[in-house]
Amino acid sequence: SAVISQKPSRDICQRGTSLTIQCQVDSQVTMMFWYRQQPGQSLTLIATANQGSEATYESGFVIDKFPISRPNLTFSTLTVSNMSPEDSSIYLCSVEDREKLFFGSGTQLSVL
Amino acid sequence: ELKVEQNPLFLSMQEGKNYTIYCNYSTTSDRLYWYRQDPGKSLESLFVLLSNGAVKQEGRLMASLDTKARLSTLHITAAVHDLSATYFCAVVSSGSRLTFGEGTQLTVNP
Repeated sequence: SAVISQKPSRDICQRGTSLTIQCQVDSQVTMMFWYRQQPGQSLTLIATANQGSEATYESGFVIDKFPISRPNLTFSTLTVSNMSPEDSSIYLCSVEDREKLFFGSGTQLSVL
Repeated sequence: ELKVEQNPLFLSMQEGKNYTIYCNYSTTSDRLYWYRQDPGKSLESLFVLLSNGAVKQEGRLMASLDTKARLSTLHITAAVHDLSATYFCAVVSSGSRLTFGEGTQLTVNP
């Protein structure tokens, strides 16, 4: 199965700043995704990271707030922009590998 | 819009007992996943179910899928404390996007 490295594992940020989260996979994968898990909640898909083109965002998520890059088939970044306390969540990247969907270790973000 | 409902949301059970978690979904899908999440951790893939009637077992956990009823079950046999965690089902829609259920928080008591 694909091995996913996600960085940072946690961070505490000030309101109004931005944080970029990295997701590195040990093999080339076609599909990469970014999810958010708010405290005590389930997971919600933010966007599909498309290689070489703009990400596809789900309803309620916009590029200005969550810009995503996907420069190649093994790497993606998610930026959480102009943060507010409501952005405090766990952010997880996910990849599809041979019909299975795996998750990175997650980034626990706290915004003060 | 795909909706996924799990029940129960909270489950407290005694060691050695059996129980079932249910996952209903609203539209046709060709894949359903079960994941486990421990507090402060990411998701661990337990099962992927691909076809009607699929049944998979790993240790004390068994998952099944009825695509006609749009229902999956996760059955726990002779529970042990180590199974305490939150369990999520997730259903694939187009483009391999996952819609998650609310999660079932399982506590196994001695």
